[in-house]
Amino acid sequence: EAAVTQSPRNKVAVTGGKVTLSCNQTNNHNNMYWYRQDTGHGLRLIHYSYGAGSTEKGDIPDGYKASRPSQENFSLILELATPSQTSVYFCASGEGQGAETLYFGSGTRLTVL
Amino acid sequence: QQKVQQSPESLIVPEGAMTSLNCTFSDSASQYFAWYRQHSGKAPKALMSIFSNGEKEEGRFTIHLNKASLHFSLHIRDSQPSDSALYLCAVSPNSGTYQRFGTGTKLQVVP
Repeated sequence: EAAVTQSPRNKVAVTGGKVTLSCNQTNNHNNMYWYRQDTGHGLRLIHYSYGAGSTEKGDIPDGYKASRPSQENFSLILELATPSQTSVYFCASGEGQGAETLYFGSGTRLTVL
Repeated sequence: QQKVQQSPESLIVPEGAMTSLNCTFSDSASQYFAWYRQHSGKAPKALMSIFSNGEKEEGRFTIHLNKASLHFSLHIRDSQPSDSALYLCAVSPNSGTYQRFGTGTKLQVVP
């Protein structure tokens, strides 16, 4: 089964600080995705990538940047964290373009104080 | 923007019962339809998916798709307590670039 690893598992940040969430996948999947999960909202797409060097905006990109320096790694960057960004963040990878099984990491619980 | 909605929000069923979960979407040109299951505190995990109208069965799970009705569903036969989880439906648009998720149905199967 596809392996997707996120770090850190938990993070507490201060308002206005910079936060970087990391994701690594070892299955050579082209596509990677960042979602956030909040009660009542399900999973919402923040950014995604088709391969190294590419990033695309999802449905809720404001306040977030993404970086895909290699096939294996995909980062989510909060330059100026706000309390509204307190959430659980999931990274996922997939072989095809959207119409494929997504494999999720275990999530990062981010609290912004 | 495509809307994906699930019903009911939560459901309690007795062990051994048939469970039916629903998902509606707004774009009839959507091409991929999937169900994911998420146990408490865990990552979502893919259950089943379908591309075209009709039905697909895998063990106790059956997925139905009706594009004209903008509706697909998941049916769980002989529901077990281990099926208790959050169920998320996902739809990929015609361009197939990503999957958009519903808000989820929380299922509890009681012995």
